[in-house]
Amino acid sequence: LAKTTQPISMDSYEGQEVNITCSHNNIATNDYITWYQQFPSQGPRFIIQGYKTKVTNEVASLFIPADRKSSTLSLPRVSLSDTAVYYCLLPNYGGSQGNLIFGKGTKLSVKP
Amino acid sequence: GAGVSQSPSNKVTEKGKDVELRCDPISGHTALYWYRQSLGQGLEFLIYFQGNSAPDKSGLPSDRFSAERTGGSVSTLTIQRTQQEDSAVYLCASSLEPEGSLYEQYFGPGTRLTVT
Repeated sequence: LAKTTQPISMDSYEGQEVNITCSHNNIATNDYITWYQQFPSQGPRFIIQGYKTKVTNEVASLFIPADRKSSTLSLPRVSLSDTAVYYCLLPNYGGSQGNLIFGKGTKLSVKP
Repeated sequence: GAGVSQSPSNKVTEKGKDVELRCDPISGHTALYWYRQSLGQGLEFLIYFQGNSAPDKSGLPSDRFSAERTGGSVSTLTIQRTQQEDSAVYLCASSLEPEGSLYEQYFGPGTRLTVT
């Protein structure tokens, strides 16, 4: 059973880089790691997905070490609007692809 | 284009009554998911539909919960004999057919269910 562990909360200031790390010791060989963002009273929104090394898009970067037992979401120069809960997502190992395990989520608070 | 829509947006019901929650996925998306999110908590997987395959119901918390997906599109989540602990936001998501472990889910705004 794939499980993830994330910090419950993080604080940052506008303009700083924020790194959120997710631990997933039991990740399966074929599993991708996905991160979602959720604002209050909204459904989660896809941010980024990766399998190994580094993935970058217009929003964030995802760093995955060689052993893939953890991953780090990096948000460059955060703004107040980045205040949200960030979820690290793995498939439920042994279940169907759609049986998904959301981590507890990390509540990021960006201050001015 | 249109995103995932859910109705109603809010539902207040009395304990013991049945409720139906509706989800309209994005056109062309073959996969559909239901989740539950209690206040201040993370998302709890409920059920997953993929094309014509048998749904993965392993997340349904009790036999009072059931879901259907008609014609591979619209889905209805039914909760019978509602209890106060069923109060939560029920989120629906859809995605294109996953390739291996690769998928991206698009979430609807959710239905806030309150059982009094």
